[in-house]
Amino acid sequence: GENVGLHLPTLSVQEGDNSIINCAYSNSASDYFIWYKQESGKGPQFIIDIRSNMDKRQGQRVTVLLNKTVKHLSLQIAATQPGDSAVYFCAENIYMIKAAGNKLTFGGGTRVLVKP
Amino acid sequence: NAGVTQTPKFQVLKTGQSMTLQCAQDMNHEYMSWYRQDPGMGLRLIHYSVGAGITDQGEVPNGYNVSRSTTEDFPLRLLSAAPSQTSVYFCASSYSTDLTGELFFGEGSRLTVL
Repeated sequence: GENVGLHLPTLSVQEGDNSIINCAYSNSASDYFIWYKQESGKGPQFIIDIRSNMDKRQGQRVTVLLNKTVKHLSLQIAATQPGDSAVYFCAENIYMIKAAGNKLTFGGGTRVLVKP
Repeated sequence: NAGVTQTPKFQVLKTGQSMTLQCAQDMNHEYMSWYRQDPGMGLRLIHYSVGAGITDQGEVPNGYNVSRSTTEDFPLRLLSAAPSQTSVYFCASSYSTDLTGELFFGEGSRLTVL
């Protein structure tokens, strides 16, 4: 079946450097993508989202890039800080009619370790 | 606002026992869902609801039941626990049923089935 996946299970980054987390998706009907951050012992937290009619969206220190041609999604974190150490998940959603609801499909996650 | 509240945070069961994981949200969200998270894997959808009285199956519904009698509550029932149900369970809610917005997660309930 179609799924969302990640290339790198663990990413070690020096504090102050930029981080890039990659995600591949295979469902061409997906039209909405989200990045979540999960700290140890906590539930996932929303970071940033992007619709399929966009190829870039920026937030505070984070940028999400979407390449629909190769079905690739990335999350860039600028000036990585110790507090950015966590597992990051990408998720895709296919818009459905209200009565049918919606289902997010999550990737396996990438652990980011920030070295001081 | 408390957000999404899950209880209990930890539970140990013996095979065959039943239990209910509670989930409540105080944000008046229409959409609520349950996910399980296993080591090295992403979250997998168990059941979801787009409003009171409406529930549907997700990716891995077998062995779990849900009901949505109120907007606030969405309990997950394990009728006869199995070791394969050892996992961390997350409840999540969203204002929008089309999920084009933030999905709020609870802190998780860690379940061990012996």
